[in-house]
Amino acid sequence: GAGVSQSPSNKVTEKGKDVELRCDPISGHTALYWYRQSLGQGLEFLIYFQGNSAPDKSGLPSDRFSAERTGGSVSTLTIQRTQQEDSAVYLCASSSQENTEAFFGQGTRLTVV
Amino acid sequence: GNSVTQMEGPVTLSEEAFLTINCTYTATGYPSLFWYVQYPGEGLQLLLKATKADDKGSNKGFEATYRKETTSFHLEKGSVQVSDSAVYFCALSDRGLTGGGNKLTFGTGTQLKVEL
Repeated sequence: GAGVSQSPSNKVTEKGKDVELRCDPISGHTALYWYRQSLGQGLEFLIYFQGNSAPDKSGLPSDRFSAERTGGSVSTLTIQRTQQEDSAVYLCASSSQENTEAFFGQGTRLTVV
Repeated sequence: GNSVTQMEGPVTLSEEAFLTINCTYTATGYPSLFWYVQYPGEGLQLLLKATKADDKGSNKGFEATYRKETTSFHLEKGSVQVSDSAVYFCALSDRGLTGGGNKLTFGTGTQLKVEL
């Protein structure tokens, strides 16, 4: 596609529910990254994919967070049993090789009520 | 570990004023350095970058020089415009040294408001 696409753009969920956030990277980009942007924490790295594998999951804040990538393309970030502190904007980025510029999507704004 | 420190905002300037946003970093090895910009209602965009010491990144009238001796990458613009109002993020990548590909470590962001 023309750019990194994320869906939904906004998500309001009740505390304790599971949510799935989707990222569709730029076609042909092998590297994919998830970040979280929240008040008080700034922009935090969550997980990095190279192809379908995740060499770096060090930023996932708890075992309620997981992510997968299939077909070397679309990625899904899943948050189980959501908590209010999970409220944030979740950003996805992709790049064509491991060490080149990353292009960001518009983000998904998650609100846990 | 890697870290980026940038000046607190918000910064309010008059149009045509000189802008400096300070950024310093701590990193393993020789990172690449970036400034990203987030305009209201839009996603993060790369503004400029520098990949080695003494490199100067520039774009849209903004400049930043990679200073290894002071571990700094300050953003400057000689004459700001209202359209420059945005949040600016300084960031670094250790280029895969820690196995994270082009994983970025960001500063907290500096909000810039330019008034007529």
